[in-house]
Amino acid sequence: QVQLVQSGAEVKKPGSSVKVSCKASGGTFSSYAISWVRQAPGQGLEWMGGIIPLFGTANYAQNFQGRVTITADDSASTAYMELSSLRSEDTAVYYCAAPEYSGSHLFDYWGQGTLVTVSS
Amino acid sequence: EIVMTQSPATLSVSPGERATLSCRASQTVSSNLAWYQQKPGQAPRLLIYGASTRATGIPARFSGSGSGTEFTLTITSLQSEDFAVYYCQQYNNWPMYTFGQGTKLEIK
Repeated sequence: QVQLVQSGAEVKKPGSSVKVSCKASGGTFSSYAISWVRQAPGQGLEWMGGIIPLFGTANYAQNFQGRVTITADDSASTAYMELSSLRSEDTAVYYCAAPEYSGSHLFDYWGQGTLVTVSS
Repeated sequence: EIVMTQSPATLSVSPGERATLSCRASQTVSSNLAWYQQKPGQAPRLLIYGASTRATGIPARFSGSGSGTEFTLTITSLQSEDFAVYYCQQYNNWPMYTFGQGTKLEIK
């Protein structure tokens, strides 16, 4: 059973950056694709991008290209999502998600979510 | 990018009745379609994958159907705990995934 534990809530100024972590336990971290999904208040789910730590290469949704960086530290079983040039519309809960099986494209496991508030 | 469109946005159904939720893809996703349930303040939960296979522990009253571009999630004999928001997600175009905008299932 995989557990994903995310870092705590953040309050950021417009124009700044935020980095959210997601620590995995209970599985083989390096071979699982970790995705990041965000949810603005009262809105739906939006896939931002993902990474397979074993390969180290991240893929990003078009809407976030150039502003988001997803990395992973295999030794710490932790994935990171950094979003730059923050604006008020980036206020959202950010989730990390992972599949049950290596090679799966499903989101069986989710972190608890990290609220990022962007406000001057 | 594959766009997923769900309908209706809100569905009002009485407990014990059947709910039918729809999801349409802008291009074929074969059977690479999943459904998730999300309750307020919680992370989403995987219900259905492969368009029609229930995830572990999901009750039999949840069923999925469809392939290509048209998909349906049916919930029979609605229980109080089923009232939530439901999202479809395509994973045919991996590593690029997309979600639908969600259908809110509310008590009538």
